Amino acid sequence: ETGVTQSPTHLIKTRGQQVTLRCSSQSGHNTVSWYQQALGQGPQFIFQYYREEENGRGNFPPRFSGLQFPNYSSELNVNALELDDSALYLCASSLARDGNEKLFFGSGTQLSVL
Amino acid sequence: RKEVEQDPGPFNVPEGATVAFNCTYSNSASQSFFWYRQDCRKEPKLLMSVYSSGNEDGRFTAQLNRASQYISLLIRDSKLSDSATYLCVVNVNNYGQNFVFGPGTRLSVLP
Repeated sequence: ETGVTQSPTHLIKTRGQQVTLRCSSQSGHNTVSWYQQALGQGPQFIFQYYREEENGRGNFPPRFSGLQFPNYSSELNVNALELDDSALYLCASSLARDGNEKLFFGSGTQLSVL
Repeated sequence: RKEVEQDPGPFNVPEGATVAFNCTYSNSASQSFFWYRQDCRKEPKLLMSVYSSGNEDGRFTAQLNRASQYISLLIRDSKLSDSATYLCVVNVNNYGQNFVFGPGTRLSVLP
């Protein structure tokens, strides 16, 4: 087990609704990254948080937003849900914000938008 | 061109076979390289890092060719438990976006 926990494990929403996904990072890790993985594809980077600040963002619209808390846990918020937002959302924690750290993933939240 | 590309798969091989996966990346400034394994509906898990000199971990061998921007993973004596999707991951060293994942190659090892 990686020590990274995500909640909820599954979620069903309807188009236009808002959703909040949560992630607790591994003890000692100060960086959290969020990824979206559509069926049959690799994970796509959404954004990363380092010490409570956004540290970079992938090609996702502003309705995808996030937070990191002082204990390094994190939230991903998605507003105005669209059908294409249906995917597995993965949180990964790591120790540093350079490229040499290894990612430790949570088991993900499977989001279905109907 | 996508930043990280992999063999499309799926690969269906018998137990005991040797199988090789290929991956190419577009950013010549990429710094570090990894193979992750992902079981169906589970999270990706680090299989091994890939070093310039090549590295081996039991039945698994990873190779990196920086000049050709090419990474490979070789699995020898494949087991049923090796069935999974193998993700090639490249650190492109952009600010914040440290890791770029390939689309993955699915492997099924058949009895």
